[in-house]
Amino acid sequence: ETGVTQTPRHLVMGMTNKKSLKCEQHLGHNAMYWYKQSAKKPLELMFVYSLEERVENNSVPSRFSPECPNSSHLFLHLHTLQPEDSALYLCASSQEGFSGANVLTFGAGSRLTVL
Amino acid sequence: GQNIDQPTEMTATEGAIVQINCTYQTSGFNGLFWYQQHAGEAPTFLSYNVLDGLEEKGRFSSFLSRSKGYSYLLLKELQMKDSASYLCAVRDGDYKLSFGAGTTVTVRA
Repeated sequence: ETGVTQTPRHLVMGMTNKKSLKCEQHLGHNAMYWYKQSAKKPLELMFVYSLEERVENNSVPSRFSPECPNSSHLFLHLHTLQPEDSALYLCASSQEGFSGANVLTFGAGSRLTVL
Repeated sequence: GQNIDQPTEMTATEGAIVQINCTYQTSGFNGLFWYQQHAGEAPTFLSYNVLDGLEEKGRFSSFLSRSKGYSYLLLKELQMKDSASYLCAVRDGDYKLSFGAGTTVTVRA
């Protein structure tokens, strides 16, 4: 496996379900991100973890709960979501703390549909 | 807040040139990125500008003017596989990468 891997690729859930999205990066990066991508809207930064500590939480509702057990894995736990939460959830990683571009490498995303 | 504007859609013919403009107003500036995203796939990095001027990478070039808050991505010798969404993004602080809504480019034969 190379790059950033996300599972599942597609998820359909009811408003009362609990599910989790998983992200794994094989790049040795020290920062990981969750972004939300809705149609015709800019990517929205949700959470950032640097060296397994949360450094950004952009006013995301508590029904989204991130977890970063180590520098290679990132989860997004979902609980009592709303239909407007249906979107593509993108995970990304980068190597921060050095001069240069600090390019984000994205996973292919998890397409979430909330019924 | 951050404001990054780019056109919603552009159409061009195979073999032609297309220029995607991006204007930005952000609280800070630490570089501008262009990403390409094919439908159903991950965004992939195309280019990075932090100083004014033109960066060329094969058929793709990116230009930056920091004083004008302006960038463009130039796609030359268009191919069908270039049909995708192109995302302009500005790094305005540690970990903060703010994106535009993306420009969908359609290449016609």
